[in-house]
Amino acid sequence: DAKTTQPPSMDCAEGRAANLPCNHSTISGNEYVYWYRQIHSQGPQYIIHGLKNNETNEMASLIITEDRKSSTLILPHATLRDTAVYYCIVPLTNAGNMLTFGGGTRLMVKP
Amino acid sequence: DADVTQTPRNRITKTGKRIMLECSQTKGHDRMYWYRQDPGLGLQLIYYSFDVKDINKGEISDGYSVSRQAQAKFSLSLESAIPNQTALYFCATSRGGNTDTQYFGPGTRLTVL
Repeated sequence: DAKTTQPPSMDCAEGRAANLPCNHSTISGNEYVYWYRQIHSQGPQYIIHGLKNNETNEMASLIITEDRKSSTLILPHATLRDTAVYYCIVPLTNAGNMLTFGGGTRLMVKP
Repeated sequence: DADVTQTPRNRITKTGKRIMLECSQTKGHDRMYWYRQDPGLGLQLIYYSFDVKDINKGEISDGYSVSRQAQAKFSLSLESAIPNQTALYFCATSRGGNTDTQYFGPGTRLTVL
């Protein structure tokens, strides 16, 4: 099962794009990449997921490299309310696609 | 997410007491999970259940037990609470399948004195 590596923290200016990287070099061909975020002490919130193609929804965009070994979550116009811990997750395929949460990236959006 | 509710939201108890945390969902999902989060750290899986008759231990099940009373209800018990079980506890649900998005409750803040 693939593991993910994320930087522990990042800063972003309000109104600018936030680009959060994730490495998942051992991902296999049928494993999805999920992104969640957790705003201080609240329950984690699903953002987006993808397999091969880039994905976009009302919250964010997900860019997956062609070799699928890394991905980037993009918040196009970060606001102060986007300050949160962002988790990049590859589900455990040998446990019913269960999600496990590592340390994530703490994104601080600054005025 | 209002579809996943947890009770109580806050609880302070003493060492040795039995505590039950409850989770209910109206999403109609088969899968339910209990996670623990210590301050400044990521989530750790305690137990999970893929249907009413299925219960599985997660990473940190020692000192905890669970009961899946119905599809919509999944309870977590601390038989004899200890101070290092002071943490935030989250319940989550998911539908299952190839893309299995989890939906989380608001959390229970438990303090064991």
